Amino acid sequence: NAGVTQTPKFQVLKTGQSMTLQCAQDMNHEYMSWYRQDPGMGLRLIHYSVGAGITDQGEVPNGYNVSRSTTEDFPLRLLSAAPSQTSVYFCASSRESRDYGYTFGSGTRLTVV
Amino acid sequence: TQLLEQSPQFLSIQEGENLTVYCNSSSVFSSLQWYRQEPGEGPVLLVTVVTGGEVKKLKRLTFQFGDARKDSSLHITAAQPGDTGLYLCAGVQGGSEKLVFGKGTKLTVNP
Repeated sequence: NAGVTQTPKFQVLKTGQSMTLQCAQDMNHEYMSWYRQDPGMGLRLIHYSVGAGITDQGEVPNGYNVSRSTTEDFPLRLLSAAPSQTSVYFCASSRESRDYGYTFGSGTRLTVV
Repeated sequence: TQLLEQSPQFLSIQEGENLTVYCNSSSVFSSLQWYRQEPGEGPVLLVTVVTGGEVKKLKRLTFQFGDARKDSSLHITAAQPGDTGLYLCAGVQGGSEKLVFGKGTKLTVNP
């Protein structure tokens, strides 16, 4: 099994550009989440989903959009990139968050110049 | 304000020493989870604790969930260089299904 696949692994954007970070999982997990990780800040929750068609905001949702049209995919859209969005982004999925924990992808390192 | 406070933030010890990492909050969680992260990789789940007072052991690692389900600890016995990494605690907030993380403890075990 591939687990959680994130693409691309690296990306450089100019300020104001938009892009979509892709996330796909093949474990039939209902729960999926996006996090960003910055030095000294730990992992902060951007958006999460408890099933297809259901999404909700996390701790730092501003500047990001998500949708969940299928169980497998949970793309993260940056609407108008800003230097403050320079970070490492992780997608994660879970069978159920309380008892089973999350499986993480290997991350996307994004730089906004 | 960080919902989960981890301490210490950094820890450098010699091989063979014991250590404890703490994860504290004023909020109640339906579960607390511990992850370990290597540089350039995503976090990997070590354990999930869901019952107040629960203790789980994973080889030389012992995890405890506080009776009030507000805090947790990770104890490593006889640390080895292979234990080096970033240890993250995370909690599931009851009713919301959100998993939120502490800032992590960066552990270095020197040979």
